Amino acid sequence: GQNIDQPTEMTATEGAIVQINCTYQTSGFNGLFWYQQHAGEAPTFLSYNVLDGLEEKGRFSSFLSRSKGYSYLLLKELQMKDSASYLCAPMDSNYQLIWGAGTKLIIKP
Amino acid sequence: GAVVSQHPSRVICKSGTSVKIECRSLDFQATTMFWYRQFPKQSLMLMATSNEGSKATYEQGVEKDKFLINHASLTLSTLTVTSAHPEDSSFYICSAASGGVLETQYFGPGTRLLVL
Repeated sequence: GQNIDQPTEMTATEGAIVQINCTYQTSGFNGLFWYQQHAGEAPTFLSYNVLDGLEEKGRFSSFLSRSKGYSYLLLKELQMKDSASYLCAPMDSNYQLIWGAGTKLIIKP
Repeated sequence: GAVVSQHPSRVICKSGTSVKIECRSLDFQATTMFWYRQFPKQSLMLMATSNEGSKATYEQGVEKDKFLINHASLTLSTLTVTSAHPEDSSFYICSAASGGVLETQYFGPGTRLLVL
């Protein structure tokens, strides 16, 4: 079957760094997306990785290891507005995104 | 760029009525549009995938006669919830992607449906 494993909830302090891990099992693989979803809102695109390694985009970076079925999202210089759910969504061989429940990140002052 | 709008943002209707939700890509042509449903604190559930000019592909367990999808142009897709019931109350979100299947999905703001 296909599944995604992310922590349900994480807490971090404003200004700090947090890493949200994601392990996945899919039928085939065509890359992995990270989305941010604030409560009551639709997801917004953060990053896409298809090759192994780290992709940096401002305060957010995403890493992928295809052989390990592992990805992480790294958030630096945390701000209160970063409080949201972070969704790791791998794409399977049918080009469908596989969605989990995401990681709820709580930022404290 | 890559802005997707949805209308209405919120709708309340009586049981048995039909509700139409519009999804528009504002600054790009969306070859493919996706319709999702999300219940509170649960993951996104893909309902159907639609390509412009062709019939939508529905996920297993989604009734195509109840959730009518029309992808009439490269910038507009509509979802009609027919004969809505309270259990259809949910957050409906569309996403749009240009080009091929590997393109990033950009999401609309969602429509919150409450059926009384």
